[in-house]
Amino acid sequence: AQRVTQPEKLLSVFKGAPVELKCNYSYSGSPELFWYVQYSRQRLQLLLRHISRESIKGFTADLNKGETSFHLKKPFAQEEDSAMYYCALTMDSNYQLIWGAGTKLIIKP
Amino acid sequence: DTGVSQDPRHKITKRGQNVTFRCDPISEHNRLYWYRQTLGQGPEFLTYFQNEAQLEKSRLLSDRFSAERPKGSFSTLEIQRTEQGDSAMYLCASSGQGGELFFGEGSRLTVL
Repeated sequence: AQRVTQPEKLLSVFKGAPVELKCNYSYSGSPELFWYVQYSRQRLQLLLRHISRESIKGFTADLNKGETSFHLKKPFAQEEDSAMYYCALTMDSNYQLIWGAGTKLIIKP
Repeated sequence: DTGVSQDPRHKITKRGQNVTFRCDPISEHNRLYWYRQTLGQGPEFLTYFQNEAQLEKSRLLSDRFSAERPKGSFSTLEIQRTEQGDSAMYLCASSGQGGELFFGEGSRLTVL
């Protein structure tokens, strides 16, 4: 079955330190991967998707098909990055998403 | 505000009662999704509409749950004979051709 795993429920790093939020998936085909973010008291919103190959708010994520991973990285964390981050996968053009359980990122001053 | 809106934001009900949630998507979006989220978990897919057609429904969705999108615009999600296990955040999202999901703020259901 298709599954998205985010092994860390909580990640706490100091401001200015590098950040890596892990995401692993199980799917035999060619999925499309996303990172969504939810800031405190705000709605879920798209952060980035692998097909865009963009850097958003300093974050990047590379799809590694060999390791079936889509880790989210940022070289220098900022306090405003504190949020809940969800990795998600879709297998078809309907964009029905399969979600990880999320990682709460806390950036300490 | 032209984003996705959901109503009510919070509903407290007694077990056995029926509840209905409404979602107004972004007007030009033809796809509408309902998700359920419980504490410590990511969203869980419930159902999906393209225009007024309900194209997919999760096998996890019991017969007590029904969703409609009668004119291809707003949607309603009804839960009949609520159970305590139905307590969750119910999220609505819409998307256009690009595939990005735009979420509402959610409707939190508490079943006593």
